[in-house]
Amino acid sequence: DTGVSQDPRHKITKRGQNVTFRCDPISEHNRLYWYRQTLGQGPEFLTYFQNEAQLEKSRLLSDRFSAERPKGSFSTLEIQRTEQGDSAMYLCASSGPRWSSGELFFGEGSRLTVL
Amino acid sequence: AQSVTQPDIHITVSEGASLELRCNYSYGATPYLFWYVQSPGQGLQLLLKYFSGDTLVQGIKGFEAEFKRSQSSFNLRKPSVHWSDAAEYFCAVGAGLTFGKGTHLIIQP
Repeated sequence: DTGVSQDPRHKITKRGQNVTFRCDPISEHNRLYWYRQTLGQGPEFLTYFQNEAQLEKSRLLSDRFSAERPKGSFSTLEIQRTEQGDSAMYLCASSGPRWSSGELFFGEGSRLTVL
Repeated sequence: AQSVTQPDIHITVSEGASLELRCNYSYGATPYLFWYVQSPGQGLQLLLKYFSGDTLVQGIKGFEAEFKRSQSSFNLRKPSVHWSDAAEYFCAVGAGLTFGKGTHLIIQP
């Protein structure tokens, strides 16, 4: 399968714990995006990488959230000291070098449940 | 700031009937506009996009959308829906993809 893959697909954790999600984009894609989606809402933009550089961060990304893409390939999204309000689906997407193609390819998401 | 409004949270359509999902946007310049579909357990899939040119764009699965600048709209249409079209549909605008809240499409047999 050459699509965007995310791991784990589902994570249940207790409030206050740290969690980390991983995203493997399509191999030739240099742009990588993280979104958050809560029930009944559309995806909300969190952050964006071009290669290893984090070029944009949403104000939704509090200081408990950090994202990295150390070698310009896979990316991780870490949430420290989780809160119940962090419960959501975290979506990763990637796109190729010619943004004018306009298509983001999404993974199936990592669902976080904070108890 | 850019924003997207999808006025209909749920829409129920009979199989074989025509469909129109509404999308209104707010954007400072000529917008990039998209429609995505999300089926249960699957990732978001691009149906179609508008960047410039012909205001009627064709997408996959028999969908089309029309960009109307005067109405700030980008409504999605399909002449005859199939049971497999039941899903969540999202309109999005801009380079960083600001999404609407989605419209849940239910297909009646």
